[in-house]
Amino acid sequence: EIVLTQSPGTLSLSPGERATLSCRASQSINNNYLAWYQQKPGQAPRLLIYGASIRATGIPDRFSGSGSGTDFTLTIRRLEPEDFAVYSCQQYSSALSFGGGTKVEIK
Amino acid sequence: EVQLLESGGALVQPGGSLRLSCAASGFDFSNYAMSWVRQAPGKGLQWVSLISGGRGDPYYPDSVKGRFSISRDNSRNTIYLQMNRLRAEDTAIYYCARHACSGYSCDYVVHWGQGTLVTVS
Repeated sequence: EIVLTQSPGTLSLSPGERATLSCRASQSINNNYLAWYQQKPGQAPRLLIYGASIRATGIPDRFSGSGSGTDFTLTIRRLEPEDFAVYSCQQYSSALSFGGGTKVEIK
Repeated sequence: EVQLLESGGALVQPGGSLRLSCAASGFDFSNYAMSWVRQAPGKGLQWVSLISGGRGDPYYPDSVKGRFSISRDNSRNTIYLQMNRLRAEDTAIYYCARHACSGYSCDYVVHWGQGTLVTVS
């Protein structure tokens, strides 16, 4: 099983700032089969990124994904008020697994 | 519009069984892989099972293998999760999830249901 470790656990930032979230895999993820999701309290997750860097339909371009192998990053260029949420990564290279999540909170 | 409607969540005693259902609409159901993903209170997401499109091959993580069983009825556009020998740690919201298509390159979730709560106590 591929274990995904996300860091930091919590990120405290102000609107307009840049957010950089990390997702590290216990073994290499083939073909960049990594996705990112956003989840707000009381809601189901929403797909942001798949294939490590491809934005899902309707996702603003302030969200970007990068990385390969075992290290992946989600960047939110300038935080909008609606971006404060929990972000989770998921790999689909070997079965499926999710990271523990990073909470982006208002500073 | 894609819709996924879960049902069947309940309070059940340890060792008991429960069957969840997810009724899908708005897409060509038989062609898509589907999963169940759960989220324990205050915790992260955990994949529980996947069933491929077409002939419906099932896949499970070790944590539920032998206790949980996923199936699909393409005539009813519905997937099911049969959960046996339930434990306190199975307490979670269970989400029905539709993948991008059916195949390894598609095993990310494009659409989610709103979830159904399973409490084992």
